[in-house]
Amino acid sequence: SQQGEEDPQALSIQEGENATMNCSYKTSINNLQWYRQNSGRGLVHLILIRSNEREKHSGRLRVTLDTSKKSSSLLITASRAADTASYFCATDAGGNNRLAFGKGNQVVVIP
Amino acid sequence: ETGVTQSPTHLIKTRGQQVTLRCSSQSGHNTVSWYQQALGQGPQFIFQYYREEENGRGNFPPRFSGLQFPNYSSELNVNALELDDSALYLCASSFVLGGEQYFGPGTRLTVT
Repeated sequence: SQQGEEDPQALSIQEGENATMNCSYKTSINNLQWYRQNSGRGLVHLILIRSNEREKHSGRLRVTLDTSKKSSSLLITASRAADTASYFCATDAGGNNRLAFGKGNQVVVIP
Repeated sequence: ETGVTQSPTHLIKTRGQQVTLRCSSQSGHNTVSWYQQALGQGPQFIFQYYREEENGRGNFPPRFSGLQFPNYSSELNVNALELDDSALYLCASSFVLGGEQYFGPGTRLTVT
């Protein structure tokens, strides 16, 4: 079932700007993961944040997790045209990689 | 490149037919999961195999079945295809349960 719900669903920004996406979920989780997908092909793992973590960084990515609000955000700083893709959050309730994905955010970075 | 490959890339089948999709994982990846992604939607978990045994199943009917082999390859079989089975099918593997997953590029199935 689709657990994550991302907001906004579509985002268009200028190169160099920051992009922020939010994700909400309904049940308890072991961890939450963010993925990128280009042109309807395979998913690329971006970052995993565990339920006992509040913030995590990886390069230009910053992820926050608020388990009390059952929400997460993904921030991409200094966006590049190559960041144009769909971004999905996925929750892992049992820590066993059976992921429940949201509907995704379409991000377009204009050069 | 994730080291996970899938075949075929594209496939067209007729309603009622059967289809087998294949996934080849990295050596040592003893966990494989399959997902169905309809157009414009996020992937949905179909089932997971761990050391060649089914280890969890999503909300999919029994006509969706799978196999995992000792050589780190796996199959997804779908019987009695329906139009709604048209989707991108993704496999993902990892060294251990709960470890980082690596997704294949997917097989796009069209049912007419």
